[in-house]
Amino acid sequence: GEDVEQSLFLSVREGDSSVINCTYTDSSSTYLYWYKQEPGAGLQLLTYIFSNMDMKQDQRLTVLLNKKDKHLSLRIADTQTGDSAIYFCAESIGSNYQLIWGAGTKLIIKP
Amino acid sequence: EAGVVQSPRYKIIEKKQPVAFWCNPISGHNTLYWYLQNLGQGPELLIRYENEEAVDDSQLPKDRFSAERLKGVDSTLKIQPAELGDSAVYLCASSLGSNNEQFFGPGTRLTVL
Repeated sequence: GEDVEQSLFLSVREGDSSVINCTYTDSSSTYLYWYKQEPGAGLQLLTYIFSNMDMKQDQRLTVLLNKKDKHLSLRIADTQTGDSAIYFCAESIGSNYQLIWGAGTKLIIKP
Repeated sequence: EAGVVQSPRYKIIEKKQPVAFWCNPISGHNTLYWYLQNLGQGPELLIRYENEEAVDDSQLPKDRFSAERLKGVDSTLKIQPAELGDSAVYLCASSLGSNNEQFFGPGTRLTVL
């Protein structure tokens, strides 16, 4: 079946770049998403990429998609303490755009 | 513009009791989703509505879970009776349509004792 995998934790120093990785199995995905979840809050869409693109940049965020390897990454430049959160990768598949979610990567910022 | 509203934010009940969660989607959003999120995991879809019609309820445990969206606006998710394993965060999301961005509410954290 469909599966999305992420590392559970990533620790980076404030000011460095964070790179969060995700792999997926369904090659027919149409969109791939990155969501952010802060403690006690709902999921917030950060950015998404259409499956026929290989890169998308939005301010401090860069999404890279390697469709051949089914690998998606999110790079956060100049990581700040406010970036501390859990980041979820999700792919949308099928005619009803069902979202398949990873388990989330907790980003820890060291001073 | 108000986001997706959910209530209550927290609920603690004893097992075998009923519980209900309420969601008011963003105005004009036709599609409404209920998800379950366990600690350390991503959301799992329970049910998806297009207006008042439940178009995907394949993951909803129908022996104890029910949902309704009678007028195609707000929605209620019910569990009766609750079991210990139902402790989780229940998330509601809405979107303009199925292929549009989903906006999430803050969730209801359920603890079953």
